[in-house]
Amino acid sequence: NAGVTQTPKFQVLKTGQSMTLQCAQDMNHNSMYWYRQDPGMGLRLIYYSASEGTTDKGEVPNGYNVSRLNKREFSLRLESAAPSQTSVYFCASSVIPGPQETQYFGPGTRLLVL
Amino acid sequence: AQTVTQSQPEMSVQEAETVTLSCTYDTSESDYYLFWYKQPPSRQMILVIRQEAYKQQNATENRFSVNFQKAAKSFSLKISDSQLGDAAMYFCAYRSAGTGNQFYFGTGTSLTVIP
Repeated sequence: NAGVTQTPKFQVLKTGQSMTLQCAQDMNHNSMYWYRQDPGMGLRLIYYSASEGTTDKGEVPNGYNVSRLNKREFSLRLESAAPSQTSVYFCASSVIPGPQETQYFGPGTRLLVL
Repeated sequence: AQTVTQSQPEMSVQEAETVTLSCTYDTSESDYYLFWYKQPPSRQMILVIRQEAYKQQNATENRFSVNFQKAAKSFSLKISDSQLGDAAMYFCAYRSAGTGNQFYFGTGTSLTVIP
């Protein structure tokens, strides 16, 4: 049981390049989330998927797209990376989307946009 | 939007001693959930403890306990018998009981444990 896994661990992009961050969970959770963490700040929600087949915007969705590929996988895509998207990205999952539900986090992907 | 404030960017504690991390929040809601997450150098976020706003009893998990003061909108974390492995960044988080399911995180407190 690996929990929540993310790939890659670290990536360097040039401005304007695109890339997809991958996230998978093996806990049979229904809900998945993407966050970003910037220095001196807490995590901010980018997008979430309450259940397979649905996605919704979070606090900071601009510049990102997501795909809930199946129950296990939730990807985050940057179509045209910008330096402001330099951050650490965390994927998380929970059994159901309820606020009382514990979210389990992946190890993070560190992205540097030059 | 709700705001979560952690006024202590850094704290330190002697091993085996007790330390309290502060958190305050601003909300007009009556039903919500509060969390403390730990982020060690590995960067993975780990749930430490959770408190439901409708519960008057403070949550406890082994050496970790909270002091939840709903009227004061305060949610502090007490770590007893501190261990070297407790060294990490600690984040306080708020989550509404209503729709939206969004976490609001504080800016974190970096805890150093001194041997």
